[in-house]
Amino acid sequence: ETGVTQSPTHLIKTRGQQVTLRCSSQSGHNTVSWYQQALGQGPQFIFQYYREEENGRGNFPPRFSGLQFPNYSSELNVNALELDDSALYLCASSLDGFGYTFGSGTRLTVV
Amino acid sequence: SQQGEEDPQALSIQEGENATMNCSYKTSINNLQWYRQNSGRGLVHLILIRSNEREKHSGRLRVTLDTSKKSSSLLITASRAADTASYFCATDSQGGSEKLVFGKGTKLTVNP
Repeated sequence: ETGVTQSPTHLIKTRGQQVTLRCSSQSGHNTVSWYQQALGQGPQFIFQYYREEENGRGNFPPRFSGLQFPNYSSELNVNALELDDSALYLCASSLDGFGYTFGSGTRLTVV
Repeated sequence: SQQGEEDPQALSIQEGENATMNCSYKTSINNLQWYRQNSGRGLVHLILIRSNEREKHSGRLRVTLDTSKKSSSLLITASRAADTASYFCATDSQGGSEKLVFGKGTKLTVNP
């Protein structure tokens, strides 16, 4: 049984650019959630995908968007990057919203 | 927004001592979970306690939940240097809720 894999592990982007982060969910899981964790803070919910449909969204602007694929892997896209988008982005998968398994995260730095 | 607060924000103890961290939350919950995070890495699930439970044990971990006070505590007994990490509580308000709501965490340092 594989865990949750996120790529890349680290990324540096320039303000105004776009970024795509990827997440492979744990085998048997059909739900993927994305969280943003700023330095020194707890993770904040961005959105969740269940069976390829968005299933709940946190207080993030529309330039944060996502996708879930038929194999339940997922992407998080952020357009028009801002300095405040610098954070650790965590992906968590679950089966029907129960029993979350987190990946190791992608550290995004916007300069 | 954060659901609640962990207390203390930082805790430094000696190896062998017990560490107690507290978590308060704001809304009614279905269950509460504690997670551990090493140095900006991913979150590791430690323990889940349901809203109808008052206490739960797992190895050196003991979690209590007081829904009337909307608070929980995590006790780590006989701490080890390897327990050094940040600890977060997270709540979900309904069964199969679409999100976990995290506190700001307690940074625990266990000195050898």
